[in-house]
Formats: sequence, structure tokens, C-alpha cells
Amino acid sequence: ETGVTQSPTHLIKTRGQQVTLRCSSQSGHNTVSWYQQALGQGPQFIFQYYREEENGRGNFPPRFSGLQFPNYSSELNVNALELDDSALYLCASSLSAGGSLDTQYFGPGTRLTVL
Amino acid sequence: AQTVTQSQPEMSVQEAETVTLSCTYDTSESDYYLFWYKQPPSRQMILVIRQEAYKQQNATENRFSVNFQKAAKSFSLKISDSQLGDAAMYFCAVDDKIIFGKGTRLHILP
Repeated sequence: ETGVTQSPTHLIKTRGQQVTLRCSSQSGHNTVSWYQQALGQGPQFIFQYYREEENGRGNFPPRFSGLQFPNYSSELNVNALELDDSALYLCASSLSAGGSLDTQYFGPGTRLTVL
Repeated sequence: AQTVTQSQPEMSVQEAETVTLSCTYDTSESDYYLFWYKQPPSRQMILVIRQEAYKQQNATENRFSVNFQKAAKSFSLKISDSQLGDAAMYFCAVDDKIIFGKGTRLHILP
């Protein structure tokens, strides 16, 4: 176990709805990254937060947004859900914004299904 | 843009044998990091090994080692003495925002 937790484990939503996924980082980790992993694919980088500020973003539209809180928890919000948003969403925490310098610890993921 | 290519979607190896997973990448960065991650069926991704590009010496972690060829932009993973618990998806990745390849599913044959 990595010490990173995510909730919920599974979630079913309908197209057009909004969803919030949650992640609890390892204690002391000030950086969290979110990834989308479609079935049979590698994870794709959504964005990273460092000390509660966005610190880099992948090729995802603005309806994907996030928050990071001082207590090492974070959220991924997705508005106006589309069928293609169905995926496993992973968060990963690390000790610093230079993620290369520190190991990223992944959570078990949230499986989102959009109908 | 950074890209990562894993050309072997699936591989199989007999228990106790050695297997090598291939990875090539492209980056415009002069200094970067490379990673191999393992994702077992339970889904939690864990780091297997990482390599700093400025270091010429290949990284090793117990039964896992890499063959890092910087000029060729190649970063293969060798697993020695394969064990049943090594069965998983293996992802090669580059740099801090972690650009992943599509993965190689490794089967261990008893």
C-alpha cells in the first residue's frame, strides 16, 4: 500500500452530470497529480497541484478542474460529463513539485462510468 | 512533446526465467527522469525502478534492472528470476508530469 487513498472506488453518472473525485495524499506530500486511465491504455496526465496552486496541465479541457487543500487532500471535478470520460482516475502524491525528484505514490483509483 | 512507446502489448515468461520489456521515448529535455511502474490487477500503481538521464550507470533494484541507452532513447526493463507476483501491466514513463506508454502486460507461466 502507498498510503494514498481515493474515494469513491466506483461511480456511475449520466452524461451532462458533474462529478467530484477525492484523494488523500500521504502525510507531508505537498504535490498531487491526477491522471485519467482509459481501459487498456496508459495513464494520461490531467494536472498537478503544488501547495494548493495548479502547477501544470495536460491536454484536458477546462471542464476538468481541481482543488488541493492544506490537509493533503485534493479533488478532481469534472463538469458536463461525456461518455468518453469513462475511465479509471488516479491520483498520485509526491514530496515536491519537481515530481521527477521524488517518487510519486499512486492511489488505487476511482472507476468512473458515464452512461 | 514527450512520447513513450512500448512495442510489446503482451509478453509471457516462465517462472524463474528472465524477461526484458522494451521502451523507447522522445523528449527535447536534456535532463529528465525515466520510470518503470507496475500495475497489478488490484490497480494500484507502484514504482519499480527509476533512472536519472544524466547518470550513465544503469539503475538496479534487486531482480529489476534497466538498460538505458540515452543516445538511442531506449529504456528497457529486465526482470530476473521471474516470480508469479511479477504478473502485471508494466508502464514505462518519462519526466515529472509522467508521460506514460501504453503498457506491456506480463504473464508469468508456472
